[in-house]
Amino acid sequence: QKEVEQNSGPLSVPEGAIASLNCTYSDRVSQSFFWYRQYSGKSPELIMSIYSNGDKEDGRFTAQLNKASQYVSLLIRDSQPSDSATYLCAFSPPAGGTSYGKLTFGQGTILTVHP
Amino acid sequence: NAGVTQTPKFQVLKTGQSMTLQCAQDMNHNSMYWYRQDPGMGLRLIYYSASEGTTDKGEVPNGYNVSRLNKREFSLRLESAAPSQTSVYFCASRQSSYNEQFFGPGTRLTVL
Repeated sequence: QKEVEQNSGPLSVPEGAIASLNCTYSDRVSQSFFWYRQYSGKSPELIMSIYSNGDKEDGRFTAQLNKASQYVSLLIRDSQPSDSATYLCAFSPPAGGTSYGKLTFGQGTILTVHP
Repeated sequence: NAGVTQTPKFQVLKTGQSMTLQCAQDMNHNSMYWYRQDPGMGLRLIYYSASEGTTDKGEVPNGYNVSRLNKREFSLRLESAAPSQTSVYFCASRQSSYNEQFFGPGTRLTVL
């Protein structure tokens, strides 16, 4: 089983719709979760981080974390063509271990928002 | 603040040549990382430096060496480049208190 599984893409949504991106992870002790956005030919850009169960909202973005189900998602409301990019989820283990600070990334989901 | 900077942006090497990729950050972060990104393989960790003076292997260290020159700079060296090392290389840094990593613009390397 892969450590991180993301939506198989690509995902296409119309402008103004809600885009839903999902990620499951296998390491139960993971503590920190992140969503990165990567435009074609550019570097990953951190857009959301979430550390506790529940929802975290930032503008049009909402991250949802359910540690019991080992599931993290990203919702993009009122999607815009400028949101078209690859979205990467990543997680990190808790502090104190030798792996602390190291991120494990998913393969990414390509999102296209069409006018 | 420039954040994380990388040089060069593009490089073409012949098999067997050597080169060093440079990375610097001005955010006073303790930890720095080198990743490679290949189609279908995602981001894979090559080496990392948890703090100045320490370096450790990541997931795919073979064929690479690193140097943490000081707190700001972390370089990646290919001693004898191979076509399998054709990739996009990203450097990232992280502050100790948080797990958030911030990436540089990347180096696109082609080995012929």
